[in-house]
Amino acid sequence: SYVLTQPPSVSVAPGQTARITCGGNNLGSKSVHWYQQKPGRAPVLVVHDDRDRPSGIPERFSGSNSGNTATLTISRVEAGDEADYFCQVWDSSSSHGWVFGGGTKLTVL
Amino acid sequence: QVQLVESGGGVVQPGRSLRLSCATSGFTFKSYGIHWVRQAPGKGLEWVSVISSDGTKKYYADSVKGRFNISRDHSKNTVYLQMTRLRSDDTAVYYCARHGFTTGTTYADYWGQGTLVSVSS
Repeated sequence: SYVLTQPPSVSVAPGQTARITCGGNNLGSKSVHWYQQKPGRAPVLVVHDDRDRPSGIPERFSGSNSGNTATLTISRVEAGDEADYFCQVWDSSSSHGWVFGGGTKLTVL
Repeated sequence: QVQLVESGGGVVQPGRSLRLSCATSGFTFKSYGIHWVRQAPGKGLEWVSVISSDGTKKYYADSVKGRFNISRDHSKNTVYLQMTRLRSDDTAVYYCARHGFTTGTTYADYWGQGTLVSVSS
């Protein structure tokens, strides 16, 4: 089955730019989606289809996907951005389900 | 506004059964597939199952295939997850999520708040 790999943690100072990566074989040929999850809360979709933001998500959140790596970029990081972030793709070949990365804990220093 | 509300979680002994419900509102229920996703304590997200908008297609993760059954009731705008032969590794918060889609892909565009299932003797 398809595997997505994320770094366990990323740290950034307020006002700086955070980049969270998601790796997978030929990932650039798939559409990648990103979720933010704060402690005790349900995940929230922040980017879909590599780079599109749902309504209500700040422009500070952006995404890219090429080769074997997708990246979620958070500009001008705020304390409220501290959360776990998960990438996800759709497994169209076998289970027809969703494959999630292991998650990255973003710490705002 | 779109809402999904899970219920039915609790503490259950290994080998027993439990049925989760996902009550929805704020959108045209018959037009959307619904997924279940779970999260073990301190762990990541794991996709569990999906049911198509018309209920004719159902898919399961290998870890639950043969033990869990997903269904939907259009008169109640509700999706169910019947879980049987529960094991300790089924312990998790179970979320239902709406099937968002664009050409060639799908994702969870709305999530419920989750319901905790704890399998323990």
